[in-house]
Amino acid sequence: QQQVKQSPQSLIVQKGGISIINCAYENTAFDYFPWYQQFPGKGPALLIAIRPDVSEKKEGRFTISFNKSAKQFSLHIMDSQPGDSATYFCAASPLAGLTFGSGTQLTVLP
Amino acid sequence: DGGITQSPKYLFRKEGQNVTLSCEQNLNHDAMYWYRQDPGQGLRLIYYSQIVNDFQKGDIAEGYSVSREKKESFPLTVTSAQKNPTAFYLCASSIVGEAGYEQYFGPGTRLTVT
Repeated sequence: QQQVKQSPQSLIVQKGGISIINCAYENTAFDYFPWYQQFPGKGPALLIAIRPDVSEKKEGRFTISFNKSAKQFSLHIMDSQPGDSATYFCAASPLAGLTFGSGTQLTVLP
Repeated sequence: DGGITQSPKYLFRKEGQNVTLSCEQNLNHDAMYWYRQDPGQGLRLIYYSQIVNDFQKGDIAEGYSVSREKKESFPLTVTSAQKNPTAFYLCASSIVGEAGYEQYFGPGTRLTVT
C-alpha cells in the first residue's frame, strides 16, 4: 500500500523557471514531511522539511507548501538551475522511519 | 569529518550466501536506519534502531537481520532468505531537528546477487 503518492514522475523545466512537485499522503498520523534530493549513485540529501502546524516554509530557492486538510504538500524550486537536475523524493513519518514517495526526475534545461 | 560511512560501495555475491553491509556514523546520533532502493523507485524501510541493543522491523524486514551493539554501528545482513536481494542499500541516522527526525544518509552500497 503506497501511503505517499508523488507526481509527476518526471519534469522538464527551462533554466530560471519554477519546478513544482506534489505529494499526497493518506496516514493522518504523519507529522513530519521532508524533501530529499538524490543524484545518481549517491545517497539522498535532506533539502527542507516541515511540520503540519506550518503552511509554508522557505529556505533559499526551495519552498514547501503544506495543506493539512487536503493531506497534500508540494516542493517549489524557484529560479531552477541545471545543477538542480536530480531525483526528488518527498517523505512522511509519524515519528521515526520514513515512508517515501516514488520520486520525480527533474531535468533543468540550460 | 563527521558523517555516515557505508562499505563497500559495490558488493557482489552468489545466490544462497549471506552478506553483511557495514554502516558507521560519527555524528553521535541515537537513531539509525536501513533502507532499500530499487531502480526508479522510492526508498523502503527495512529496519531501524533508536537506541543501542534495540531495533524494530520496518516495512520490508523479511530476509534481513540487524544488530546494534554500539551507538556508532548498525550492520545489515542480507540473508539467503531474501528473495530479491539485488538493490541499492542506504543507511541513515537522525537527530531531532526543528521539524522532526532529520535523517541523514550515507553514500549507499550497491549489492548484486547472481
